[in-house]
Amino acid sequence: GQQLNQSPQSMFIQEGEDVSMNCTSSSIFNTWLWYKQDPGEGPVLLIALYKAGELTSNGRLTAQFGITRKDSFLNISASIPSDVGIYFCAGFAGGTSYGKLTFGQGTILTVHP
Amino acid sequence: GAGVSQSPSNKVTEKGKDVELRCDPISGHTALYWYRQSLGQGLEFLIYFQGNSAPDKSGLPSDRFSAERTGGSVSTLTIQRTQQEDSAVYLCASSPSRGYNEQFFGPGTRLTVL
Repeated sequence: GQQLNQSPQSMFIQEGEDVSMNCTSSSIFNTWLWYKQDPGEGPVLLIALYKAGELTSNGRLTAQFGITRKDSFLNISASIPSDVGIYFCAGFAGGTSYGKLTFGQGTILTVHP
Repeated sequence: GAGVSQSPSNKVTEKGKDVELRCDPISGHTALYWYRQSLGQGLEFLIYFQGNSAPDKSGLPSDRFSAERTGGSVSTLTIQRTQQEDSAVYLCASSPSRGYNEQFFGPGTRLTVL
């Protein structure tokens, strides 16, 4: 089945630094979503992208839908301690997978004060 | 407003027993999804309900897994004859309609099979 390769697997950064993570796929996706998951909770939607080339911001977060429709990235600027968590990319591929989200393996973010 | 709720939050069971996990989607959402998250892993799609249509069961890992959705709202995921490899967090999500829509997740049920 379809897979998303998310990198890096983990990041250890200092408060105030910028963060970048990305997802790639061997096949085309029609929608890209970025979620954050805190321990013991379900994923929370951060940003949704619907068009190739689209660049969308949500506060300190910026995400882009790659032109080839096979990749997406998420940037976090000026990180703060509450940014700690696991970030997942997810996508809808279309066709017979209509309605099903495919998830990346996640990026574990640690922010040192 | 109320989000997706799931119960129980934690379930410990013995190998071979059956378990039922419940999901209450956001009011008015017609689509409901179940995912499984194993330790340190991403989410694995299990099953998808859309309105009164037949569910998409293509992600269910074995015939021990089944799910139903009553009245287009509450859903129950049943795992029969549980195995240790079934231990995971089971997450439910809902969205306003079918297709490429944003999905909103519940807090999950952590299942531990001893």
